[in-house]
Amino acid sequence: SAVISQKPSRDICQRGTSLTIQCQVDSQVTMMFWYRQQPGQSLTLIATANQGSEATYESGFVIDKFPISRPNLTFSTLTVSNMSPEDSSIYLCSGRTPGYDTGELFFGEGSRLTVL
Amino acid sequence: GQNIDQPTEMTATEGAIVQINCTYQTSGFNGLFWYQQHAGEAPTFLSYNVLDGLEEKGRFSSFLSRSKGYSYLLLKELQMKDSASYLCAALDSNYQLIWGAGTKLIIKP
Repeated sequence: SAVISQKPSRDICQRGTSLTIQCQVDSQVTMMFWYRQQPGQSLTLIATANQGSEATYESGFVIDKFPISRPNLTFSTLTVSNMSPEDSSIYLCSGRTPGYDTGELFFGEGSRLTVL
Repeated sequence: GQNIDQPTEMTATEGAIVQINCTYQTSGFNGLFWYQQHAGEAPTFLSYNVLDGLEEKGRFSSFLSRSKGYSYLLLKELQMKDSASYLCAALDSNYQLIWGAGTKLIIKP
């Protein structure tokens, strides 16, 4: 199975600040995704991180608020910008192995952000 | 629109059997996943079905009926460690995962 490392695991942030979450995957992973999971709710896809180009954002998410980088195949960052209490959530990095239509998703440990 | 429905919470007894149902409506369909998520942890893969029928994997089995837009996860010989949320997710025609809200399973001794 693929290994995905994510940091920080948790942080408490002040309103108006920005935080960058880092995600490192092993070489088995070809596609990378960023999800948000608010307490008691399902996973919401923020964007697909594309290597060397702009991420593909889902409806309701924009690059100015959630800039994403993926400079190489195995590393990606998600920045939560100008945070507000509504951004308090768990942010999950995930990767899919080859076999695009059947490859399972592997998840990082998640980054639990609390915005005061 | 695309939608996944599963019960919010279920309770079962240690050693028993429980079935968690999931119905889906998606734009196209390329398979259905079940994930397990313990509190405070990331989801982990349990099963994938793309053809009709039952897939058995140890104590866990997953069933799919494409014509009915229906799946279930069957857990046998329940153990306390099975207490977790179980997420159903369907892969649509664009190979995007549509996630259900998850079913919180509570196991009682």
